[in-house]
Formats: sequence, structure tokens, C-alpha cells
Amino acid sequence: QKEVEQNSGPLSVPEGAIASLNCTYSDRGSQSFFWYRQYSGKSPELIMFIYSNGDKEDGRFTAQLNKASQYVSLLIRDSQPSDSATYLCAATTRGQAGTALIFGKGTTLSVSS
Amino acid sequence: IAGITQAPTSQILAAGRRMTLRCTQDMRHNAMYWYRQDLGLGLRLIHYSNTAGTTGKGEVPDGYSVSRANTDDFPLTLASAVPSQTSVYFCASSDGAPEGGNEQFFGPGTRLTVL
Repeated sequence: QKEVEQNSGPLSVPEGAIASLNCTYSDRGSQSFFWYRQYSGKSPELIMFIYSNGDKEDGRFTAQLNKASQYVSLLIRDSQPSDSATYLCAATTRGQAGTALIFGKGTTLSVSS
Repeated sequence: IAGITQAPTSQILAAGRRMTLRCTQDMRHNAMYWYRQDLGLGLRLIHYSNTAGTTGKGEVPDGYSVSRANTDDFPLTLASAVPSQTSVYFCASSDGAPEGGNEQFFGPGTRLTVL
């Protein structure tokens, strides 16, 4: 069974701190990795994706990928209360009808002001 | 521009009944997906379709069927609902397969309760 693992949290950080969210995946064939944010009662929305080893930065967000360790992370700098949400990590996986995404269970982040 | 619409918004269903959840997108996306989300279990893929006319099974396909007769619509059918299918169901679509970094856009969800 191909899996994406995340610590469910909650992860609590003070406003202005760096939040670090981690994810591991079991399918060595996974090529691309995504981070989605989901506010309570809402639909998931994409924050960023990464497919090359190393870091990828977009504003306050940095995704990190280490394929050898099968590890993906998301750093949120200068965390704001509006960042409080559940963060979902997803990895591509090859199925019978093409490629799809497998999601982790999500990490709940709480940013206190 | 509506994006992705799902219907109904919520539904209470008696066990054993047949139910079709509707999903329509107006972005001409090739790929569409159905997920269920349960507390503590995250998003789990039920079925997907990378192009009209083809479908594939996801992580939890049992008890569900889909069809993809055209680009815009991707209905999910529960042939005989059971209480364990109580969940929030999200439909999503993307321009192409996820390996190309294609973003999946999610619909608003359908909250289904099976009694």
C-alpha cells in the first residue's frame, strides 16, 4: 500500500515564528509532491509543488525535497494567525489509468497571536 | 466562471439506497478525481479519470463507481449505500496529470450521511 505519512499535530507556533511541516512517502516512483492548505469546513487549495531535490521558495513558503530519504517538508516563515489550517502533503503515484495523487492525513497548524 | 460544482451540497440517505453525486467543471480540464475525507483519515482517492472515456481505481474504490462520458462531468455512484460511506466527498479537476505539476482544483464538497 503506497502511503504518505504526516504528523497529525497540532503544531502550535507563535506569530512570527517559522513553522516546519514534514512528510514522508513510501513510493520511490513518486515524481512530484504537493502541499495543500485546507481551512476548516473549506476545500483544499494548492500552496506549492516541488519535483526536484532541494529547496523551492515562494514568498513566505519554502518546500524542500529529498528523494533519497523520501522526505518532503514545508517551511512557513513569519507565521501569521491566518496560516492556521490543516496542511496536506501529496505525492504522485502511478495507477492503472495513469498518475494520481495520494494524500497524507494532514498536519494541523495553529499560529497564536 | 463557476469552476467546479458539486451537487447536492448535503444529503441524508437511508442505507441500501442508490445515490449519485454530481460533479461538473467548466475549465475543460482533462483529469478529474473523487476523494472522500473523514476525520483523522485525510483525503483518500476513490476513483480518477485522466481523460474522457478512461477511469481508474484509487485507494478506496469498493462500493463506488464512476463514468466519464465527456470532459466536463464525472458522476460518482453509490450503488447501495452503507453507513461507512458517511463522509465529505470532494471532486477535483486538473488540466493534466499531477506529475507535470498540474494543480488540482477542488469543488465545495458534498456532505453525505448514510443512516
